[in-house]
This record gives sequence, C-alpha cells and structure tokens, in this order.
Amino acid sequence: TQLLEQSPQFLSIQEGENLTVYCNSSSVFSSLQWYRQEPGEGPVLLVTVVTGGEVKKLKRLTFQFGDARKDSSLHITAAQPGDTGLYLCAGLNYGGSQGNLIFGKGTKLSVKP
Amino acid sequence: NAGVTQTPKFQVLKTGQSMTLQCAQDMNHNSMYWYRQDPGMGLRLIYYSASEGTTDKGEVPNGYNVSRLNKREFSLRLESAAPSQTSVYFCASLGVVTDLYGYTFGSGTRLTVV
Repeated sequence: TQLLEQSPQFLSIQEGENLTVYCNSSSVFSSLQWYRQEPGEGPVLLVTVVTGGEVKKLKRLTFQFGDARKDSSLHITAAQPGDTGLYLCAGLNYGGSQGNLIFGKGTKLSVKP
Repeated sequence: NAGVTQTPKFQVLKTGQSMTLQCAQDMNHNSMYWYRQDPGMGLRLIYYSASEGTTDKGEVPNGYNVSRLNKREFSLRLESAAPSQTSVYFCASLGVVTDLYGYTFGSGTRLTVV
C-alpha cells in the first residue's frame, strides 16, 4: 500500500513567521498536488507539480517536488491568519487507476494574529 | 459558479436506514469520485467513475453503492446505515479548472448515524 506521510501533523505559529510542511513517501509518483481545506468546506487545489525538482510559487507559497518524485514540500513565507487551514498533499500513481489520488493525512496550520 | 454541488449538507440517520447522497458537476469532467474524511484517517476513496457508464471500487467500498446517472451526476447510496459510516462525505470531479488540473471537491455532506 502506498502511503504519503505528512509532517508536522499540527503547526501553530504567529503571524509573520515562516514555515515548511513536508510530504514524504517511499513510492514514486507521476505528479503531486497540494490542497488547502478550511473548516466546513471541501479541499481546494493549490498546485500540481509534475517534474522531479520542480519548484512552483503561488504568492507567498513555494512548492517543491523532490528530484526522485517521492517527496514534496510546501514553504509559506510571512504566514498570515488567512493561511490557517488543513494542508493536504496527494500523489498520483504511476500506472494507477485513472486519476486516483493517494492523500496524506494533512497538516493542520493555525496562524495567530 | 462552476463547481461540484452536493446535497444534503447535513443528515442524521438511524441505524439501518437508507439514504442517497447526491452530487452534480457542471465542468464537463469525465471522472468523478466519492471520498469519506474521518479524523486521523484522512481522505479515503469509496468509489469512483472514470467515465459515464463505469464505476469501480475504491479503498473502502463496503456498505456503499454508487450510480453514475449521466456525465454530470454521481450518487452514493447507503443501503443500511451503520454508526461506522458516520463521517464527512466529499464528492469530487477531475479535470482542468482555471488552468489547474486536479480535483474539484464539493463542500461535503456531514452524516451522523445513531
């Protein structure tokens, strides 16, 4: 069974701090996606990374896909209260059933003003 | 607004009752999915439909059935609800939305089985 391990599980920081969330697996993925979920809502797609070593930036968020396509990280610069939420990584198998993602259990981020 | 619509948003069932969760998407996506989300367990795939007319089991299909009614609609049925099916259920479709390729999720159905 393929697993995606996210760390840390919980993160509570002050506004303005930087943070990094990690997503690791022993398996290789063809692509990896990051979602943010707010309470009472469904997850919302932030980014998809496809190429090993790829880096994508979305305003203060930087996403990186590991060279071996087994891991990814999300770095937030100068966190704001609006960044609060559950961050989920999800990997797409090589040769797996169409579109079936494997989700990590998430990192719950709380940014205090 | 384009997206995935789920109904109902909340539901309480007694053990043994049945119900159908409805899902519709208006993005012309081929693939649709049903997930459940439980504390400490993350999102787990129940069933999926790669295209109209096809359905397949996911990781946790027991106690559920699905129907892909047409390209837009994908319903999830609980024939005889059990307390272990208390969860938040999400429907999703897969495709391109505003330049991103990935899942678009509905806002969820919070189901309690007593």
